[in-house]
Amino acid sequence: DVKVTQSSRYLVKRTGEKVFLECVQDMDHENMFWYRQDPGLGLRLIYFSYDVKMKEKGDIPEGYSVSREKKERFSLILESASTNQTSMYLCASSPRTGAEETQYFGPGTRLLVL
Amino acid sequence: AQKVTQAQTEISVVEKEDVTLDCVYETRDTTYYLFWYKQPPSGELVFLIRRNSFDEQNEISGRYSWNFQKSTSSFNFTITASQVVDSAVYFCALILRSSYKLIFGSGTRLLVRP
Repeated sequence: DVKVTQSSRYLVKRTGEKVFLECVQDMDHENMFWYRQDPGLGLRLIYFSYDVKMKEKGDIPEGYSVSREKKERFSLILESASTNQTSMYLCASSPRTGAEETQYFGPGTRLLVL
Repeated sequence: AQKVTQAQTEISVVEKEDVTLDCVYETRDTTYYLFWYKQPPSGELVFLIRRNSFDEQNEISGRYSWNFQKSTSSFNFTITASQVVDSAVYFCALILRSSYKLIFGSGTRLLVRP
C-alpha cells in the first residue's frame, strides 16, 4: 500500500512565523505535490517536484517555498505566515513522470494562522 | 482550457438508496485521464478509480460503478445500496498526458442517512 504521511494533522501558528509542513512517502515515488484546499475554491496546486532538488510552481506559489533534499521527503515552507494561509494542506505523490500515474494523498494538515 | 464540473454540491439519501454523482469535463486533448477520489471527514483523499480517454468500458467494483461517456464528456459515479460509511465529499479530477496537474471539480458532498 502507498503511504503518504504528513508531520502534523493540526497546526496553530502566529502571523509572521516561519512554518514547515513535512511530507514523507514510502513508495520511492519520483513526483511529489503540495495542494491547498479551501471551501468554495477546491484544491489548488502550490508546488510540485519531479525529482530531488527539482521543483515547479503550481497555480498559487506566492508566499510559499519548497524543499526536496531526499526523494521521500517534500517540505512546504511558509516564510512568513499570514492569516490568508489558513487552510487545509494536502501532500501527494505519484510514481514516474507520466501524468497518467495516480496521485496518492496524505491525511492533510489543517493550519490555522492567528 | 481544461475544466471539471460537478454540478451537484450536496446530495442527501437514505441508506440503501442508489445514488449517482455527476462529473462533466472539458478538454481538447485526445489523451487524458479521469479520476474519482473520496474525502471522508478525516480529510484524506482516497483514490477510487482512474480511466484513460481510450477506455470507455464501464467499471464495477463492489457497490461502486463508473460510467464513462466521451460523447457527452461525462464520467459519472454510482453507489448502489448506499451505506452511512459512504458519507464523504467526492471529487472528480482530470489530468492531461502532457501535464502534471490534476484539475479537480468542486466536489459533491454525499450524506447517507440511516
